[in-house]
Amino acid sequence: EIVLTQSPGTLSLSPGERATLSCRASQSVSGDYLAWYQQKPGQAPRLLIYGATSRAIGIPDRFSGSGSGTDFTLTISRLEPEDFAVYYCQQYGTSLTFGGGTKVEIK
Amino acid sequence: QVHLVESGGGLVKPGGSLRLSCAASGFTFSDYYMGWIRQAPGKGLEWVSYISSSSNFIFYADSVKGRFTISRDNAKNSLFLQMNSLTADDTAVYFCAREIAAAGLFDYWGQGTLVTVSS
Repeated sequence: EIVLTQSPGTLSLSPGERATLSCRASQSVSGDYLAWYQQKPGQAPRLLIYGATSRAIGIPDRFSGSGSGTDFTLTISRLEPEDFAVYYCQQYGTSLTFGGGTKVEIK
Repeated sequence: QVHLVESGGGLVKPGGSLRLSCAASGFTFSDYYMGWIRQAPGKGLEWVSYISSSSNFIFYADSVKGRFTISRDNAKNSLFLQMNSLTADDTAVYFCAREIAAAGLFDYWGQGTLVTVSS
């Protein structure tokens, strides 16, 4: 099973700042089939990024994904108030696994 | 727009069974793989199972294999999860989700239904 390790566990930032979230895989993710989801309290996850770099429909361009192989990054260029949430990475190249999540909180 | 509504959750004793349902609307249900993902209270996401559009291909996480059965009724735009031999570790919110890559990529999710396994 591919284990995904997300870091940091919590990111404390202010609105307008840049957020950089990391997702590291225990082995190479086939096809770079890596997705990012956003989840707010009491809500379902929302797909942000798939295929490591492609934004899902309706996702603002301040969200961007990068990386390949075992190291992936989600960047939020300028945090808006609605972006404070928990973010999960998921690989779907070899079976499925989710990372443990990164909480982006207001500093 | 895509709408997924789960039902069937509740309190069940260890060793018991429960059947979850997911009603889909706003898209051609029979064209899509569908899946179940769960989230234990205060924890992260865990994939449970997903099924191909015509039920030919079915996949289960090791943690539920042999105990859970996924199925669908395309005529009724519905997805199901039969859960048997439940344990406390199965306590979670269960989300129904639409899959778009035949590999476990989920683009729309329901709001979830809570399953609590406790004596």
